[in-house]
Amino acid sequence: SQQGEEDPQALSIQEGENATMNCSYKTSINNLQWYRQNSGRGLVHLILIRSNEREKHSGRLRVTLDTSKKSSSLLITASRAADTASYFCATDRYDTDKLIFGTGTRLQVFP
Amino acid sequence: GAVVSQHPSWVICKSGTSVKIECRSLDFQATTMFWYRQFPKQSLMLMATSNEGSKATYEQGVEKDKFLINHASLTLSTLTVTSAHPEDSSFYICSATLGSSYEQYFGPGTRLTVT
Repeated sequence: SQQGEEDPQALSIQEGENATMNCSYKTSINNLQWYRQNSGRGLVHLILIRSNEREKHSGRLRVTLDTSKKSSSLLITASRAADTASYFCATDRYDTDKLIFGTGTRLQVFP
Repeated sequence: GAVVSQHPSWVICKSGTSVKIECRSLDFQATTMFWYRQFPKQSLMLMATSNEGSKATYEQGVEKDKFLINHASLTLSTLTVTSAHPEDSSFYICSATLGSSYEQYFGPGTRLTVT
């Protein structure tokens, strides 16, 4: 399977703490994206990082990309209970616009 | 951002019947639409890529006669689950894009339950 791996599979933290999720993938990529999914809902696009970028910020989100290790991380700072959701990374390649999703991390933030 | 809708949001059907799910891009013309399937607590698995006016490209292991995809216009793609069985029960999500190098916009998903 080409599917990426994410770890941890599940993460429980208290409000105010930081949450870090990691994603590893298998092939060369064009872009890597992070998505959020609330239970039983569709996906919300969080951030896109291109293969020639190493770090990107958006509000409380910080994404890093290490193409030599084929890995990325998503950091959510000062987490809130409303951040409780599943988070997925997704990669696409230069020769296709198909997205390959990682296995996901279920984040639970306790108030 | 662009909006993609799906209809219905949930459907219950009896085994052996067929179910059609619609995916619409509401405020843009999508060159490509994708259909995904998601089992509980699992990730999204791409089923097929759909381009307007041409046959869909199915991923390995996805039965094209079971999951019929029609992409009649730049704003509408439909997925028909034919002769549904309980194992087809799942969450089906579509996405639409303007093309490569553009973001994919996801629909809210359709939960199918086959009894």
